[in-house]
Amino acid sequence: DAGVTQSPTHLIKTRGQQVTLRCSPKSGHDTVSWYQQALGQGPQFIFQYYEEEERQRGNFPDRFSGHQFPNYSSELNVNALLLGDSALYLCASSFGQAGNTIYFGEGSWLTVV
Amino acid sequence: TQLLEQSPQFLSIQEGENLTVYCNSSSVFSSLQWYRQEPGEGPVLLVTVVTGGEVKKLKRLTFQFGDARKDSSLHITAAQPGDTGLYLCAGEGYRGGSYIPTFGRGTSLIVHP
Repeated sequence: DAGVTQSPTHLIKTRGQQVTLRCSPKSGHDTVSWYQQALGQGPQFIFQYYEEEERQRGNFPDRFSGHQFPNYSSELNVNALLLGDSALYLCASSFGQAGNTIYFGEGSWLTVV
Repeated sequence: TQLLEQSPQFLSIQEGENLTVYCNSSSVFSSLQWYRQEPGEGPVLLVTVVTGGEVKKLKRLTFQFGDARKDSSLHITAAQPGDTGLYLCAGEGYRGGSYIPTFGRGTSLIVHP
């Protein structure tokens, strides 16, 4: 039973470029959340997808967008990259809503130069 | 303003020492989770506490949920170098119809042999 898988694991982009990160949830999970984690900080909630719709959104600009596919996998897109977008991007999956354990992937390290 | 305040932010101790990490909030949580994250990896769930006053033990780790469900603590007995990592608490805050795990900034623990 595969856990949460993310790709790519590492990537380097230039300021102004766009990036797409991908996530496959744990088998049986239908909810995907994305987090941004700067070095030495806790993860910051970006948004959550459920039934292919954005259900909740954190305090991130519109440059951050996402998508969930019918198979529950998800993408995170960031446009017009800034140096400050350099971080570990974590995907977490869970089943349904409250009280169910969330599982994290190992993350995608994004460096913007 | 952090919804969850963790302290201390950094902790550097010798092998064999005991330590306690705190997670405090002004909000009531239906549950709190503790995660451990090693460099380059995603957070791994250690425990979920649900009931006010609950105490859970995981080998040398003892987790406590405050009676009012606003705070939690993690106590490690006889710390070992393998305990080194970033310890994160997360609460499921109810927001706009769904529960979103919200993280503290984390406590970075280094255990020296």
